[in-house]
Amino acid sequence: AQSVAQPEDQVNVAEGNPLTVKCTYSVSGNPYLFWYVQYPNRGLQFLLKYITGDNLVKGSYGFEAEFNKSQTSFHLKKPSALVSDSALYFCAVRKGGTASKLTFGTGTRLQVTL
Amino acid sequence: EAEVAQSPRYKITEKSQAVAFWCDPISGHATLYWYRQILGQGPELLVQFQDESVVDDSQLPKDRFSAERLKGVDSTLKIQPAELGDSAMYLCASRLDPNTDTQYFGPGTRLTVL
Repeated sequence: AQSVAQPEDQVNVAEGNPLTVKCTYSVSGNPYLFWYVQYPNRGLQFLLKYITGDNLVKGSYGFEAEFNKSQTSFHLKKPSALVSDSALYFCAVRKGGTASKLTFGTGTRLQVTL
Repeated sequence: EAEVAQSPRYKITEKSQAVAFWCDPISGHATLYWYRQILGQGPELLVQFQDESVVDDSQLPKDRFSAERLKGVDSTLKIQPAELGDSAMYLCASRLDPNTDTQYFGPGTRLTVL
């Protein structure tokens, strides 16, 4: 079975500082990894994904994530946080292939303050 | 930019009543998903369609939930009868094809069962 762990319920960071939201995964075979962001009472917005290739993936709104196979991690990062980045962030994984479903973590709330 | 449409955005109902949610995926997207997101948790897959066929409904409580995508375009998720524990956000997502892999989510329907 595949799973995702987001060990932090909430991450607090000051505006302008770098941020990291952690994610580790478990899946058999090659992982497809995703980050989504959710604002209050809204659906999930796609940020970025890792399928294959360069371990550092760049996505929307200045976010990036680093795939680390040995640590089975896919941490989300941004060099300089904005107050508008405050939201709920979900990491998701699925096994490479057409039929496997996407499994989400429980989410990490990012709070960016002035 | 094309989006996944869902309606209604909010629904309040009493237990034992029937409710229905509608989803219109991005045009041309053959794969459609319904997820349930309980407050404080990540989305969980209820049902996956490929065109008009159900690919995965293993997590759908079939005694009270039903889903259809008759013409392989828009879809309806129904709950009858609704129970208090069904209060959640119901999210629809679509995907162009397995090679593109990214799922795009609609804004969701927030269901409250009283």
